[in-house]
Amino acid sequence: AQTVTQSQPEMSVQEAETVTLSCTYDTSENNYYLFWYKQPPSRQMILVIRQEAYKQQNATENRFSVNFQKAAKSFSLKISDSQLGDTAMYFCAFMDQGSGNTGKLIFGQGTTLQVKP
Amino acid sequence: DVKVTQSSRYLVKRTGEKVFLECVQDMDHENMFWYRQDPGLGLRLIYFSYDVKMKEKGDIPEGYSVSREKKERFSLILESASTNQTSMYLCASPPGWLGVMNTEAFFGQGTRLTVV
Repeated sequence: AQTVTQSQPEMSVQEAETVTLSCTYDTSENNYYLFWYKQPPSRQMILVIRQEAYKQQNATENRFSVNFQKAAKSFSLKISDSQLGDTAMYFCAFMDQGSGNTGKLIFGQGTTLQVKP
Repeated sequence: DVKVTQSSRYLVKRTGEKVFLECVQDMDHENMFWYRQDPGLGLRLIYFSYDVKMKEKGDIPEGYSVSREKKERFSLILESASTNQTSMYLCASPPGWLGVMNTEAFFGQGTRLTVV
């Protein structure tokens, strides 16, 4: 069974600084997707960034980028120039491409990020 | 905008009550999911449905059932609510067909259920 582990329950960063959230996963599959979702205090889950396992190039979305290490099964999220609006809980998630017809996501435990002014 | 709507943001129910949590999506997606979110445990899958009247158990189905009579509506049922079912419940709807750019799941805003 696939598992996703986020070992940092809470983190904080000063506004405008850079922070990295860690995520490791375990799978025997070769084709899969990895995601970072953000859940602000409003509770609305928002997709931040996604990575296809077959792509070697790390995904980037504006201030958000990932460091995808397939062999190490590591998928960290880097937030540059942190903003107060980045304060949220962040979830790392895995989806087996073989189960793509259902879209089943496996989530980590979450990391609460606080951006301080 | 795509929408997944959960009928209640907050619910308080008594132990032993039958509880219905409703979720509606307007994206014409085949798949719908119910997750439970607890501190330190992340989101855990309770049940999912990939078609009308079709359902499959997730990782923690005990104490729950579901109903999908119409494509747009997916209900989670707590047959006899217990205090250990106090939690946040999230409904999600990913696309039925999985393309490279269609992997995003859309979530409702969650129902925080308290069982007393």
